[in-house]
Amino acid sequence: QKEVEQNSGPLSVPEGAIASLNCTYSDRGSQSFFWYRQYSGKSPELIMFIYSNGDKEDGRFTAQLNKASQYVSLLIRDSQPSDSATYLCAPRGGAQKLVFGQGTRLTINP
Amino acid sequence: DVKVTQSSRYLVKRTGEKVFLECVQDMDHENMFWYRQDPGLGLRLIYFSYDVKMKEKGDIPEGYSVSREKKERFSLILESASTNQTSMYLCASSQPRGSTYGYTFGSGTRLTVV
Repeated sequence: QKEVEQNSGPLSVPEGAIASLNCTYSDRGSQSFFWYRQYSGKSPELIMFIYSNGDKEDGRFTAQLNKASQYVSLLIRDSQPSDSATYLCAPRGGAQKLVFGQGTRLTINP
Repeated sequence: DVKVTQSSRYLVKRTGEKVFLECVQDMDHENMFWYRQDPGLGLRLIYFSYDVKMKEKGDIPEGYSVSREKKERFSLILESASTNQTSMYLCASSQPRGSTYGYTFGSGTRLTVV
């Protein structure tokens, strides 16, 4: 079992709709969870983090965490073409390293 | 804003050359990391460092070494470059354990070994 699993996609969503990105992780010791966005040819940039069960909202982005189910998700409301990118899920476990999933490629169709 | 600077955006090197990739961060972060990213394989950790002169192997350290003589600088060394080391190399830094901040990445170095 991979440490972090994400659907590689591509996930295609119409402009203005909600994009839902999912991630499961195997390390029950993971304490905080990070979502990165990576545009093609660019380096990853941090867009959200969450460390408590429940929802965390920041603008059009909502991160959801369920530690009992070892599941974290990212919702993007009112999706825009500029949201087209690969989204990487990264739990932080007991060590100081982040463990990255392979990412979900999201395409927003105008 | 934290800035992580990688010295080269693109590099072309010959097989067998010794290659140095440099990374400098300006926010006094203790932790620094080197990853490579390849299509279909995601981000793979090569080496990391929690402090000056400290280094630890990541998941794929073979063929690489690192140096951290100063807190702000973390260098990745390809001892004898091979074509299978052609990749995008990403440096990152972070605050230590307990921080709610993730990594900040540099802009990456795309290395081609011919």
